[in-house]
Amino acid sequence: EIVLTQSPGTLSLSPGERATLSCRASQSVSSSYLAWYQQKPGQAPRLLIYGASSRATGIPDRFSGSGSGTDFTLTISRLEPEDFAVYYCQQYGSSRMYTFGQGTKLEIK
Amino acid sequence: EVQLVESGGGLVQPGGSLRLSCSASGFTFSSYAMHWVRQAPGKGLEYVSAISSNGGSTYYADSVKGRFTISRDNSKNTLYLQMSSLRAEDTAVYYCVKTAFSGYYFDYWGQGTLVTVSS
Repeated sequence: EIVLTQSPGTLSLSPGERATLSCRASQSVSSSYLAWYQQKPGQAPRLLIYGASSRATGIPDRFSGSGSGTDFTLTISRLEPEDFAVYYCQQYGSSRMYTFGQGTKLEIK
Repeated sequence: EVQLVESGGGLVQPGGSLRLSCSASGFTFSSYAMHWVRQAPGKGLEYVSAISSNGGSTYYADSVKGRFTISRDNSKNTLYLQMSSLRAEDTAVYYCVKTAFSGYYFDYWGQGTLVTVSS
C-alpha cells in the first residue's frame, strides 16, 4: 500500500501570499493517479486538481498542481480569504486501492 | 447538476447495525463506480468501500472487511452501505462519492451522514 505524507501539517500564511503544499508518496505514483481536494469546515471535500496538474471544473487558476514520481505539490499563487481550509492529496493504486494523505491545514496568520 | 444525498446515519450501540443510502441524480448512475469515504471527527479522510458500475465487483478497506457490505440498485439510482458489528472507531461522517470516468479520482461528493457508535 502506498502511503502519502503531506507537509507541513499546518501552514500559516496571510491573504495575498503564496502557498506551497507538499505530498510525498512512499512509492512512485503515476501522475495520472494523483489528485488534490479542498475541505472547508462542515463541508464535503471538493476536487481541485486531478492528474497531478489539471484543474477541475470551476477551480480558479491561482490553484496549480505539479510533480511526478514520489513528490507532488499544490501551489496557490495568491491566497484569497476563502482558500483557508484543509487540503488532501489522494492517489489511486493497485487493486483499485485509493489512499489519502493526512491533510495540510492552511490557516490565516 | 450532479447530486448525491446520503441518509440513514444516526446513533447506534456497539455491535449494532445500520444501513446508509445515497440517492444519486444528475448523471447516468449505472455508468459509474461508486464509493464510500469516511471521516472521523476532527480526523482525515479514510477510504472505505467501492462498487463497480454494474455491482459485480466490490472492494473494502481492511478496517471494515467482513463487517460492511456495499451494494447498489441501478434502477433506483441508489447506493447502499450495510454496516454491522459496529465499533466506536466506526464513528464518522460517511460520504457517498462518485468516481470520475477514468476511475482515478473523485469528482463529486455528497454532504455526508454522521454515524455515531456509542452506548
